[in-house]
Amino acid sequence: TQLLEQSPQFLSIQEGENLTVYCNSSSVFSSLQWYRQEPGEGPVLLVTVVTGGEVKKLKRLTFQFGDARKDSSLHITAAQPGDTGLYLCAGETGRRALTFGSGTRLQVQP
Amino acid sequence: GAGVSQSPRYKVAKRGQDVALRCDPISGHVSLFWYQQALGQGPEFLTYFQNEAQLDKSGLPSDRFFAERPEGSVSTLKIQRTQQEDSAVYLCASSPRGRGDYGYTFGSGTRLTVV
Repeated sequence: TQLLEQSPQFLSIQEGENLTVYCNSSSVFSSLQWYRQEPGEGPVLLVTVVTGGEVKKLKRLTFQFGDARKDSSLHITAAQPGDTGLYLCAGETGRRALTFGSGTRLQVQP
Repeated sequence: GAGVSQSPRYKVAKRGQDVALRCDPISGHVSLFWYQQALGQGPEFLTYFQNEAQLDKSGLPSDRFFAERPEGSVSTLKIQRTQQEDSAVYLCASSPRGRGDYGYTFGSGTRLTVV
């Protein structure tokens, strides 16, 4: 069972559209990370957020950490085919290992 | 090396066979993690090492799973008497610090198929 619930599970959009992926939990996290994973590869870290209410921008990607540090969102502006992949959120709870969400599979059609 | 290296990339095992999966973390990284990823799911935690000490093995699904990191660098995940439900991608990750909250670097994984 995953402590972190991601929605939607699947998303297929056209190039140029905007999208938001959500990561929710009943647990409080000391930090939250977002990863992107492509087929046959391991997840690659995109960003780490540590402060409640924090917003980080990475080119067309905007990451937000909820005020209560229980949820996060990833917003992609003007999606491109290169954004296609599995997006994973992961939280640090005080155990020494990250807990991962179930993932959001994004496909951007040209 | 520059990244986390895992071998083999693919392993097909007959049911009941023992397998050993290897992970070479980034040189100098203190923490090493093993995760299991089923098809279409997020990675599930198996075990964690800080240097050579196994600090958390709460995610190992059964006593058929065993991991070691004897010299604080290379790690091996061993699965004895493999079962079909063990089929998954096994990911190794390392981190430079004692906690993982500054991000992990993952290897490409070992895809294990038990037939």
